[in-house]
Amino acid sequence: NAGVTQTPKFQVLKTGQSMTLQCAQDMNHNSMYWYRQDPGMGLRLIYYSASEGTTDKGEVPNGYNVSRLNKREFSLRLESAAPSQTSVYFCASTNSGSSYNEQFFGPGTRLTVL
Amino acid sequence: AQSVTQLDSHVSVSEGTPVLLRCNYSSSYSPSLFWYVQHPNKGLQLLLKYTSAATLVKGINGFEAEFKKSETSFHLTKPSAHMSDAAEYFCVVSELTGFQKLVFGTGTRLLVSP
Repeated sequence: NAGVTQTPKFQVLKTGQSMTLQCAQDMNHNSMYWYRQDPGMGLRLIYYSASEGTTDKGEVPNGYNVSRLNKREFSLRLESAAPSQTSVYFCASTNSGSSYNEQFFGPGTRLTVL
Repeated sequence: AQSVTQLDSHVSVSEGTPVLLRCNYSSSYSPSLFWYVQHPNKGLQLLLKYTSAATLVKGINGFEAEFKKSETSFHLTKPSAHMSDAAEYFCVVSELTGFQKLVFGTGTRLLVSP
């Protein structure tokens, strides 16, 4: 099992450019998440998908959109990148139904917006 | 809303000495609590979790944490630090929203010197 995979690993954008971060999991999990990590702030939830076909905003959704393409894949799109979106982005997944379940994280995408 | 506070942004220890990383939580009911570890340029990995079955929780790599309701604390400890323990550690609480939604602390960076 590959677990949670993310592409790309690194990306540099210019202000105003768009891009899509890809995430896939092979653990048959129902719930998937996108976080951003900034120094001194821990991880903050951008968007989540409780189950296939549903998506909801998290703590910091502005400037982002998501698509739950199928049960395996959950993508994050930046329509017009801004320097404030320079961050490390993590995708995670888990089985829904319990607050005790472990979330499994991908290796991250390091994004720089110039 | 639930939250966690990690009391130290950095902790420095010598190899072979005890480790103590402090975490306080805020919750109006019995929470689900986790410690995750992030090694440099890696994703997050679950160390241990509190599920109300036992107040002393043992995790991987010799770490353990004790849930103290009276102190609203969930401190992470290890009797003897190893160089490989150098990483960032996150205390995390799960919101009970019908499915799992994690709220992260700001992280504690553990430095281990020879």
